[in-house]
Amino acid sequence: EDKVVQSPLSLVVHEGDTVTLNCSYEVTNFRSLLWYKQEKKAPTFLFMLTSSGIEKKSGRLSSILDKKELFSILNITATQTGDSAIYLCAAISSNTGKLIFGQGTTLQVKP
Amino acid sequence: DAGVTQSPTHLIKTRGQQVTLRCSPKSGHDTVSWYQQALGQGPQFIFQYYEEEERQRGNFPDRFSGHQFPNYSSELNVNALLLGDSALYLCASSFTATGVGYTFGSGTRLTVV
Repeated sequence: EDKVVQSPLSLVVHEGDTVTLNCSYEVTNFRSLLWYKQEKKAPTFLFMLTSSGIEKKSGRLSSILDKKELFSILNITATQTGDSAIYLCAAISSNTGKLIFGQGTTLQVKP
Repeated sequence: DAGVTQSPTHLIKTRGQQVTLRCSPKSGHDTVSWYQQALGQGPQFIFQYYEEEERQRGNFPDRFSGHQFPNYSSELNVNALLLGDSALYLCASSFTATGVGYTFGSGTRLTVV
């Protein structure tokens, strides 16, 4: 059965800290991995990773995929209170086209 | 360019009742997927509609059904509501059944009492 696992499940840091969120997956005919930020309701898209070893960056956020070891990480540097949210990782299978989500990591950034 | 719109935003129902949730996809998208997100959990795939047909289905009972209309909008129906159906229901639209360009709506918060 296809599975996505995120760790840690929750994290509390202080402003300015750097955090690393982990996502491992076991998905048949894996196609891509996506990261979303969910603050209140709608998950908002952060990154889509398809190729191994190519880092994607957006401001203080970056992410990379390792297709050999079947995992991805999301890094956030110089965290701010506005980064407090649930971070969701999801894998897409070429077979089904559906998103398989992990449980999410709840990040709280304290002032 | 309108994104994905869902209605209603909040809903309170009694056990045993039926509910219909609605979703309008982003312009240019033809596939609609529905997800259930319980508190503290990641979204769980319910089903996916493309060309007015259910193409994929997750591990949800037959009480959960859906429909897609010719304009690509979609409805999610849940019959015989249980307390455990209380959750945030998210609709995501994409282009073709391969899931390119997933965009989520803001969801419908369903509370069953």
